[in-house]
Amino acid sequence: DTGVSQDPRHKITKRGQNVTFRCDPISEHNRLYWYRQTLGQGPEFLTYFQNEAQLEKSRLLSDRFSAERPKGSFSTLEIQRTEQGDSAMYLCASSLQGAIEKLFFGSGTQLSVL
Amino acid sequence: SQQGEEDPQALSIQEGENATMNCSYKTSINNLQWYRQNSGRGLVHLILIRSNEREKHSGRLRVTLDTSKKSSSLLITASRAADTASYFCATDSAGANNLFFGTGTRLTVIP
Repeated sequence: DTGVSQDPRHKITKRGQNVTFRCDPISEHNRLYWYRQTLGQGPEFLTYFQNEAQLEKSRLLSDRFSAERPKGSFSTLEIQRTEQGDSAMYLCASSLQGAIEKLFFGSGTQLSVL
Repeated sequence: SQQGEEDPQALSIQEGENATMNCSYKTSINNLQWYRQNSGRGLVHLILIRSNEREKHSGRLRVTLDTSKKSSSLLITASRAADTASYFCATDSAGANNLFFGTGTRLTVIP
């Protein structure tokens, strides 16, 4: 499968716990994006990387959210001290540099915070 | 806040009918795209229209763009049950490196 891969597909956690999600982009894509989607809404931009550089992170929802892409390949999104309001679908997408024109999305990680 | 809003929020039609969805946005754009999302899945790119274009076709899809009204429409002709999904418009602006998505239209095609 040469598409964008996200792991896990579902995550259930208790309030206050930390969670980490992984995204493997399409191999030749050097741009990687994280979005959050709540029920009935469109995806909300969180952050993006070009290779290993995080070029936009001002839209991360709070300082509890952080993302890394250490070697310019896969990326992780961590949420510390989860809250019930963090329950959402977390989507990863990738694209070629300069190609904001077409994003390729993974199937997402559905987070439920109890 | 999100850039666009789709109208209607939900649309139910019979198979074979045409479906029209509208998108309005707030600021000047470079491109406008439409994506489709099946329930519980990621989004799939359908079609892109640039700010200097007024209409574009791809198979059963027809997209129009009116930059003076900051609006776009997506027409799906001869709908099929498999077209049942949510449809989102997304825009990017000069100097921006991300897409802003609308709120989506949930389309149901009844066999």
